[in-house]
Amino acid sequence: EDKVVQSPLSLVVHEGDTVTLNCSYEVTNFRSLLWYKQEKKAPTFLFMLTSSGIEKKSGRLSSILDKKELFSILNITATQTGDSAIYLCAVQGGSEKLVFGKGMKLTVNP
Amino acid sequence: EPEVTQTPSHQVTQMGQEVILRCVPISNHLYFYWYRQILGQKVEFLVSFYNNEISEKSEIFDDQFSVERPDGSNFTLKIRSTKLEDSAMYFCASSEQGIPHSPLHFGNGTRLTVT
Repeated sequence: EDKVVQSPLSLVVHEGDTVTLNCSYEVTNFRSLLWYKQEKKAPTFLFMLTSSGIEKKSGRLSSILDKKELFSILNITATQTGDSAIYLCAVQGGSEKLVFGKGMKLTVNP
Repeated sequence: EPEVTQTPSHQVTQMGQEVILRCVPISNHLYFYWYRQILGQKVEFLVSFYNNEISEKSEIFDDQFSVERPDGSNFTLKIRSTKLEDSAMYFCASSEQGIPHSPLHFGNGTRLTVT
């Protein structure tokens, strides 16, 4: 059965800190890994990764995939209170569906 | 920025009743999905839909569930006879070319409460 494990499950930091979110997976016929940010309702797309070692960047957020070790990290530098959210990692195996992890709750305090 | 729109935002229904959850995907997207999230649990896949037919469905998506694209813009999820355990947030999503070629974009969800 496909599995996605995120760690830590929750984190409390101060504004300005850098955080690293981890996502490890076991999936048959890996095709893609996606990161989403979930604030109140809709998961909002952040990154989609398909190749190892290529960093994707968007402002203070970046992510990289290691297909050999079966994990991805999401980095957030200079955190702001607006980064407070649940961060979801989801993996696509050899089918149409995404398998989600439990999510990581990030709280950024001023 | 274009977005996926879902209505209603919250629906309360009695056990055994039929409900229809509605979604308007992003206009140039060709792939459509329903996911659900029971309170405190993971987001779970229900069904994917492409070219006017179901392309994949999960074990959750049994005979009580159906999907339809009745016109060029709407995508609906029907639950024929709701059960208490159907209470969840239901998310519609769409993708321009399907994963892994393009990501899924989710709507704000419909919170379904079955009493």
